[in-house]
Amino acid sequence: QKEVEQNSGPLSVPEGAIASLNCTYSDRGSQSFFWYRQYSGKSPELIMSIYSNGDKEDGRFTAQLNKASQYVSLLIRDSQPSDSATYLCAVNIGSGYALNFGKGTSLLVTP
Amino acid sequence: GAGVSQTPSNKVTEKGKYVELRCDPISGHTALYWYRQSLGQGPEFLIYFQGTGAADDSGLPNDRFFAVRPEGSVSTLKIQRTERGDSAVYLCASRLAGEDEQFFGPGTRLTVL
Repeated sequence: QKEVEQNSGPLSVPEGAIASLNCTYSDRGSQSFFWYRQYSGKSPELIMSIYSNGDKEDGRFTAQLNKASQYVSLLIRDSQPSDSATYLCAVNIGSGYALNFGKGTSLLVTP
Repeated sequence: GAGVSQTPSNKVTEKGKYVELRCDPISGHTALYWYRQSLGQGPEFLIYFQGTGAADDSGLPNDRFFAVRPEGSVSTLKIQRTERGDSAVYLCASRLAGEDEQFFGPGTRLTVL
């Protein structure tokens, strides 16, 4: 069973702080890594994708990938209450394959 | 442009009944995926279509589940003899050929009484 592990949380951070969300995966053949945001009662929304080791920045979001450690993270800078949601880490071994999801980390940004 | 659409948004049925869930992918997306999500869990893969054919159906839990995509666009997920354990949100995602990113529809919440 190929696992994607996330701390379920909730992770609580004050408004304006940096939120750090972590994910580990077991399949060393994994090639593509994604972060989805899911608001309560809504479907997953893609916010970041990363394919190479290192950092990838998009606005307030930074994804970090370390394939040697089988670890991917998402940093949210200047966290806002509207960032409160569940963040799902998803991994696959290539574009023709299904996504393997973690259970998600619940993030709460308090005003 | 329009995103992935799914109908119905909610479906309540009785144990033993047959249901059909529909997914209309983003225009031009040749790859289509079905997932289901239970409360507190991440989405779990069911089936993947490339064009009209099912390229991977390894996630279908049993033979009560079946999906089709006859013209390579709209897909229908069919569940026979529904059981209470089938209650979940059924999500559809589509992907553009040559790209890696999958985009999800709003889902169908299925409740089996």
